[in-house]
Amino acid sequence: EAGVTQFPSHSVIEKGQTVTLRCDPISGHDNLYWYRRVMGKEIKFLLHFVKESKQDESGMPNNRFLAERTGGTYSTLKVQPAELEDSGVYFCASSQVMSGASTDTQYFGPGTRLTVL
Amino acid sequence: QKEVEQNSGPLSVPEGAIASLNCTYSDRGSQSFFWYRQYSGKSPELIMSIYSNGDKEDGRFTAQLNKASQYVSLLIRDSQPSDSATYLCAVNFYGNNRLAFGKGNQVVVIP
Repeated sequence: EAGVTQFPSHSVIEKGQTVTLRCDPISGHDNLYWYRRVMGKEIKFLLHFVKESKQDESGMPNNRFLAERTGGTYSTLKVQPAELEDSGVYFCASSQVMSGASTDTQYFGPGTRLTVL
Repeated sequence: QKEVEQNSGPLSVPEGAIASLNCTYSDRGSQSFFWYRQYSGKSPELIMSIYSNGDKEDGRFTAQLNKASQYVSLLIRDSQPSDSATYLCAVNFYGNNRLAFGKGNQVVVIP
């Protein structure tokens, strides 16, 4: 079974440009999460999809970030316009919905390293 | 106060020794606790989950949870060079699915 995949693995852009990150979750996983780790800090939650719906977007830093999950399969995270402080590693994770469980195991992708110059 | 705290600084242990990692969390209502291992440039990989007070053993790994004291620990017995990685403590708070992470502990096993 393929794991969570992310594209690209690295992206270097200039301030003010737009970047779109993609995440393909494990097949059949309804839950999809985006997280971010900026240098020297802990991994921080950004948002959570259940299928195509945004369940929790409390971690999104501002309106320059737009996440979509059309059709409930892969997801994109667009940053427009990018700022220097957006640099970091963006992780995607997915999990199955488990009936009756309070939580479920999240499987992480390898991340996209974004550098904004 | 940070949601999840791990001691900073790398932990160096000789091969065959026990590595001990600790993590504290702020929300007394936390439900689920996880240890992830991350090799440099790779994805975080779940190695242990624990939900109830006490110990949980899986191979050379033992997770310990004490909800009253709000800490969770990870022991790695018979440490191997392949255990050299960063270990991330993650906590799932009551009422939502998001994970809160500590900054991680780097473990270096010296042959």
